[in-house]
Amino acid sequence: QVQLQESGPGLVKPSETLSLTCAVSGYSISSGYYWGWIRQPPGKGLEWIGSIYHSGSTYYNPSLKSRVTISVDTSKNQFSLKLSSVTAADTAVYYCARADGYNLDAFDIWGQGTMVTVSS
Amino acid sequence: QSVLTQPPSVSAAPGQKVTISCSGSSSNIGNNYVSWYQQLPGTAPKLLIYENNKRPSGIPDRFSGSKSGTSATLGITGLQTGDEADYYCGTWDSSLSAHVVFGGGTKLTVL
Repeated sequence: QVQLQESGPGLVKPSETLSLTCAVSGYSISSGYYWGWIRQPPGKGLEWIGSIYHSGSTYYNPSLKSRVTISVDTSKNQFSLKLSSVTAADTAVYYCARADGYNLDAFDIWGQGTMVTVSS
Repeated sequence: QSVLTQPPSVSAAPGQKVTISCSGSSSNIGNNYVSWYQQLPGTAPKLLIYENNKRPSGIPDRFSGSKSGTSATLGITGLQTGDEADYYCGTWDSSLSAHVVFGGGTKLTVL
């Protein structure tokens, strides 16, 4: 079955760049679907960060767009998130997920999530 | 402040029915499909409903979705203690910067 697994540092210093990777197994990213990042600060709700198609076409949350880059590596069957100039407000559980190509809000498969803390 | 408005909490007794509302605008719910998610404590969200009222494989028909105008509703019948979770609505916002938006979430307590 399709599985997603996030990886990356659990602690990032303020003003630095947060980098996460989502490895996809059981499905080839090149076959379709959008692949997205969603985060959830402790005790708060979900916030969509952005999504990417295998072709590289991207959509970003307008409130984060200036700091976000999402890229895809079809050869490794993974996609990545970079969030620059982080602050404590970026502390959250970060999830990667797959979305239907026709319904970018319908994330049908999720990774388990990875906690990222921004602190010096 | 979330673009989509949900009640912070709802509650009902086991076996009863509960509805959770999600209010938006013409740029999001009014002109796009709505999805619903269930998030059990300490776990990733799970897709319950997509395209307003469709259920992914494996989701029981106790869960239903509907949409009218700029609002959507999630219904859960035959409540079970295992349904106690946070529920989120989501949709596409077709404003100038098209993007996905989520509601603030609703905590369901099964008394």
